[in-house]
Amino acid sequence: EAGVAQSPRYKIIEKRQSVAFWCNPISGHATLYWYQQILGQGPKLLIQFQNNGVVDDSQLPKDRFSAERLKGVDSTLKIQPAKLEDSAVYLCASSPIQRSLTNYGYTFGSGTRLTVV
Amino acid sequence: SQQGEEDPQALSIQEGENATMNCSYKTSINNLQWYRQNSGRGLVHLILIRSNEREKHSGRLRVTLDTSKKSSSLLITASRAADTASYFCATERPPANAGNMLTFGGGTRLMVKP
Repeated sequence: EAGVAQSPRYKIIEKRQSVAFWCNPISGHATLYWYQQILGQGPKLLIQFQNNGVVDDSQLPKDRFSAERLKGVDSTLKIQPAKLEDSAVYLCASSPIQRSLTNYGYTFGSGTRLTVV
Repeated sequence: SQQGEEDPQALSIQEGENATMNCSYKTSINNLQWYRQNSGRGLVHLILIRSNEREKHSGRLRVTLDTSKKSSSLLITASRAADTASYFCATERPPANAGNMLTFGGGTRLMVKP
């Protein structure tokens, strides 16, 4: 089974520039998550999709961050304009809807490391 | 906000020793999960324990859950240098809407010296 694919692997941009990250979840996984992980901290949920609908985006800074999952498969996360404090690793994860009877956790991609200078 | 808090924040042990990491959380949960993260890599799921379970084993891993104290522990027995990584607990609880939310703690950075 292929894992969660993310690109790019690394990105360096200047503050006030725009950047976009891409995620392809595991085939058949209806739920997709974007997490932000600042160095030395645990991941923080930014947004959760179920199919192409947003389940939770309460921690997404909507003045500069946006995300979409138009066809319920791939997803993109965009930052415009970027700030220095956005430097972090952006992780994408997916899981099937019916997890309550399984012992499986979420499957994470390798992340995109963003540096804003 | 982070639901779980790990203790200790950093742990250094010799190869062959056991490593114990603790996690405390604040609200009721469906399950608690432990993840491992090597430097610069993604998170790897290790083990999941449900709220009605008290102990679970997987290879050299042993997880306990005490819902009355809202705490969990992860024990790695006979540690190896390759176990060096950051370990995170994460709690899953249903939000008001559909789907589940996984909330992470700050992690324990484990170093196993050969």
